[in-house]
This record gives sequence, C-alpha cells and structure tokens, in this order.
Amino acid sequence: KQEVTQIPAALSVPEGENLVLNCSFTDSAIYNLQWFRQDPGKGLTSLLLIQSSQREQTSGRLNASLDKSSGRSTLYIAASQPGDSATYLCAVRPWASGTYKYIFGTGTRLKVLA
Amino acid sequence: EPEVTQTPSHQVTQMGQEVILRCVPISNHLYFYWYRQILGQKVEFLVSFYNNEISEKSEIFDDQFSVERPDGSNFTLKIRSTKLEDSAMYFCASSGQDYGYTFGSGTRLTVV
Repeated sequence: KQEVTQIPAALSVPEGENLVLNCSFTDSAIYNLQWFRQDPGKGLTSLLLIQSSQREQTSGRLNASLDKSSGRSTLYIAASQPGDSATYLCAVRPWASGTYKYIFGTGTRLKVLA
Repeated sequence: EPEVTQTPSHQVTQMGQEVILRCVPISNHLYFYWYRQILGQKVEFLVSFYNNEISEKSEIFDDQFSVERPDGSNFTLKIRSTKLEDSAMYFCASSGQDYGYTFGSGTRLTVV
C-alpha cells in the first residue's frame, strides 16, 4: 500500500532563505507526482506536476525534482517570501490500471518571517 | 485561468439529514473526483468519475455516499444520512488528459 510522508511537518524561516521540502513514498511504481499549496481554510492550488519519466519541473522560484527509484521528491523554493507561507502537500498517483486517484502526504506547514 | 467551482462554501446540517455538495468542473475535463479532509488530517480520496460512471471509490465511499453528473456541467456528491464524523472539508477536482488535477476551493461541511 502506497504511503506518502513529508518532512519536516513544520518549518519557519526568515524571508529570503532558500529552502527544501521533502516528500517520500513507499512504492516507486507511480504515474506522476504533484505538489500543491494549501492556504488555511482554502482549496489546493497545483504548483508542479512531474510525470514519472521526468526528473524535474520548474515554475518561477519553484523547482521540484523526482527520484522515482529512491521514492523521493523535493520542492525547492528560492528566495522565500512571506507570501509563500502555506501548507505544501505532495501527492502521488500510483501506476495501476484504471486508477486516477492521488495519495497525499500530511504536508509541510511553512511560515516565512518578514 | 479555468476554475473548478464549488457551492456552498460552508454548510451546516443536522445529523441524519441529507446534504448535496455541488461542483462545476472545468468544461473540457473528462475526469472528476471528490476528496475530503478532516481537520488536521490528510486529504483522502473518496471517488473518481469518468464517462458517466464511478471508475474507482475508496473504503470511505460507502452506501451513504453517491455522485451524479446530472446535466453535463454539474457534478454532485450526496451524503444520504449525515453523521458527526462526516464533518470535513470536501474538495471537488477535475483533470484532463495529462491527469494533473485542478481543485475547487472546497465546501466545509459541519454536522451538528
């Protein structure tokens, strides 16, 4: 059964720091992996989608990498800003016929201090 | 940018009552989903819907739950007889051919 773990659970950094959020998954047979951002009491905003054949994806100050064989993904945030404060969720889609669901991690709650 | 729209944003209901949560997915998406998040817990998969039928459901999605796409644009989740433990944030999502999701902003369901 696929399990997704994110560490750290919470992180507090001063503005301007570069930071790395970690995601690990127990079964390397995945179709893709998606990083989401969740603001308190709000929905989930897709940040980056990495297909299983890809090693990384970039969007602005965000870079996500995928190492399928070791069951890991990292989300790198460059030059963090207070507006980046949110919970970041990693989710994997298992490689299985007929399944389109995502399995989510518990998230990393990020606070960027001004 | 296209959005997934959910209504209402917050619903309070009495235990045992039926509730219907509504969603308008992105118009050219083919796959539709419901997830829930109990306060402080993980986002959990409930059901996926494709080609007018359920393609997959979780253990949570028992006989109390049903989904429908009544008119080609709306996608609904019905809970027949709500329990206290159904209190959660319910998220609708849709996806296209790349299977990347777009989520709605959620409906907070409070069962009292």
